[in-house]
Amino acid sequence: DAKTTQPTSMDCAEGRAANLPCNHSTISGNEYVYWYRQIHSQGPQYIIHGLKNNETNEMASLIITEDRKSSTLILPHATLRDTAVYYCIVRVDTGNQFYFGTGTSLTVIP
Amino acid sequence: GAGVSQTPSNKVTEKGKYVELRCDPISGHTALYWYRQSLGQGPEFLIYFQGTGAADDSGLPNDRFFAVRPEGSVSTLKIQRTERGDSAVYLCASSPAYSYNEQFFGPGTRLTVL
Repeated sequence: DAKTTQPTSMDCAEGRAANLPCNHSTISGNEYVYWYRQIHSQGPQYIIHGLKNNETNEMASLIITEDRKSSTLILPHATLRDTAVYYCIVRVDTGNQFYFGTGTSLTVIP
Repeated sequence: GAGVSQTPSNKVTEKGKYVELRCDPISGHTALYWYRQSLGQGPEFLIYFQGTGAADDSGLPNDRFFAVRPEGSVSTLKIQRTERGDSAVYLCASSPAYSYNEQFFGPGTRLTVL
């Protein structure tokens, strides 16, 4: 599975959009981009995934660049409960385990 | 409905002892995963079950670690001759057969080896 690069930490003001970047320049054509988050002392939680089209669900939006070498997870209106570590993972959709990196620690500030 | 549950939530043991960690997946989920998370790191894959069989155990660090899932539901992770380096949070996740995209994680078991 391709490697991803994320900033170590980010801050976001409550109510504003949180934009979390991820670089995956070695992504293969059959690899998807997944996002999970982990709130302190809890297990990771699935957020969203996509191949090449932008995706949106009730939690977030995923924007993937046309060359698929990077993506951005957008939390449209961040709340204090969105404070967590966010993991960007690249994997084939028939894969099994996820290889988590160290993620981005997002702090939403009141 | 009930999510993935793990017991115990905390386990303190002495170096050299044997421990068992239990995972109850979501009912009907055929895939079950074990991960280990050290402080400040992301979860690290250990083993994956599809039904009763271990489909991929490539993440187990050595032969002191073993996991079973005899009836295709509950799984037990077993660690023999524990070492201080085994201290971590052990996470279990499960997925339904129709989608491996979303893994549902339990709260984890915090293992401390003194």
